[in-house]
Amino acid sequence: DGGITQSPKYLFRKEGQNVTLSCEQNLNHDAMYWYRQDPGQGLRLIYYSQIVNDFQKGDIAEGYSVSREKKESFPLTVTSAQKNPTAFYLCASSTETGTLYNEQFFGPGTRLTVL
Amino acid sequence: AQKVTQAQTEISVVEKEDVTLDCVYETRDTTYYLFWYKQPPSGELVFLIRRNSFDEQNEISGRYSWNFQKSTSSFNFTITASQVVDSAVYFCALSEADVGANSKLTFGKGITLSVRP
Repeated sequence: DGGITQSPKYLFRKEGQNVTLSCEQNLNHDAMYWYRQDPGQGLRLIYYSQIVNDFQKGDIAEGYSVSREKKESFPLTVTSAQKNPTAFYLCASSTETGTLYNEQFFGPGTRLTVL
Repeated sequence: AQKVTQAQTEISVVEKEDVTLDCVYETRDTTYYLFWYKQPPSGELVFLIRRNSFDEQNEISGRYSWNFQKSTSSFNFTITASQVVDSAVYFCALSEADVGANSKLTFGKGITLSVRP
């Protein structure tokens, strides 16, 4: 079955530690995205990538880093520089790049809690 | 800058009631797309509908219907005869071209709909 997988579903980390969230898609989509969701805040874009080996900052990129070495993978690292990392993280992908016809398909999300 | 406003934060209805979820957007572009997504308790967002800025025709899909009005910059979503399974968070989103022709989605803050049996 085609889709987006995110792992793990729940993640706990100690303050000051970096942690990497996994996102894999087998939809053959060019574009991939990372969003952060906080209660009552909707989704905010962290980073996005429209092609392998290229990515752009979104609205809240500070304290995060990404890589796009393979088309199907777009891992997100939450660094110790992120002041308030506890949130629900959603990965998405889409077929249309550079256009407005941008239906995005979402993964099940990873809930990160900093202890 | 683009903006999506979902003024309602929480709505609670009894099963079989009709409910309308409001969405108002701001954009300076003449070409853009509007979307609605549903987020059930499992967390994964599910795509419901896409509408482009040149198509103001209302759409009905089963119990769902959408009313797009450019004159008021609104794209409202109505659920007819609501069911408990409709309980979820609903997001309205706007896509327009960014600098360099990259397209991005801007989401509203979402509306939590609770349908009581």
